[in-house]
Amino acid sequence: DAGVTQSPTHLIKTRGQQVTLRCSPKSGHDTVSWYQQALGQGPQFIFQYYEEEERQRGNFPDRFSGHQFPNYSSELNVNALLLGDSALYLCASSAYRVPNQPQHFGDGTRLSIL
Amino acid sequence: AQKITQTQPGMFVQEKEAVTLDCTYDTSDPSYGLFWYKQPSSGEMIFLIYQGSYDQQNATEGRYSLNFQKARKSANLVISASQLGDSAMYFCAMRHTSNTGKLIFGQGTTLQVKP
Repeated sequence: DAGVTQSPTHLIKTRGQQVTLRCSPKSGHDTVSWYQQALGQGPQFIFQYYEEEERQRGNFPDRFSGHQFPNYSSELNVNALLLGDSALYLCASSAYRVPNQPQHFGDGTRLSIL
Repeated sequence: AQKITQTQPGMFVQEKEAVTLDCTYDTSDPSYGLFWYKQPSSGEMIFLIYQGSYDQQNATEGRYSLNFQKARKSANLVISASQLGDSAMYFCAMRHTSNTGKLIFGQGTTLQVKP
């Protein structure tokens, strides 16, 4: 039973560039949430996708966008990268209609902006 | 405002001893869930234990137990018989039952287990 998988594991970009991060949810899950975790901080919610639509969004600018595919996998896109976007990006999956179950996280993508 | 507070940036514990990691929360919603996650240096967020706001008993999962005091809005994690592999960052998180998405995390506590 595969868990949540994320790719790539590490990424280095320069300011102004664009990046796409990918996530495949745990088998049986239909909802994907994305979090940004700065060094030494707790994760911050970016947004959540269910049925290929953005259902909730945290306090992040429009430079952060996403997509969910029919197979429930998801992408996080960040445009016009800033130095402050350097962080660990975590993807979490869950079953939408089971609210009290924990979200399962992937290993994350470490994004460094030079 | 919804908020999770973890006031212990770092904790030390001797191997085989018990340790309590503190977590307080703030919410006006009567229905919510509280979660604890462990994050090793590799970055993966590992689910440990869950407590629902209406649960009558404190949650337990193996060596992990949750000291849930609803009136005080606290949900402290107790790890019994600490092992060297318990050294990691620990996060308390909250999610409202009506909200199937957003987890609100605390700042985390770094636990180091000494041999």
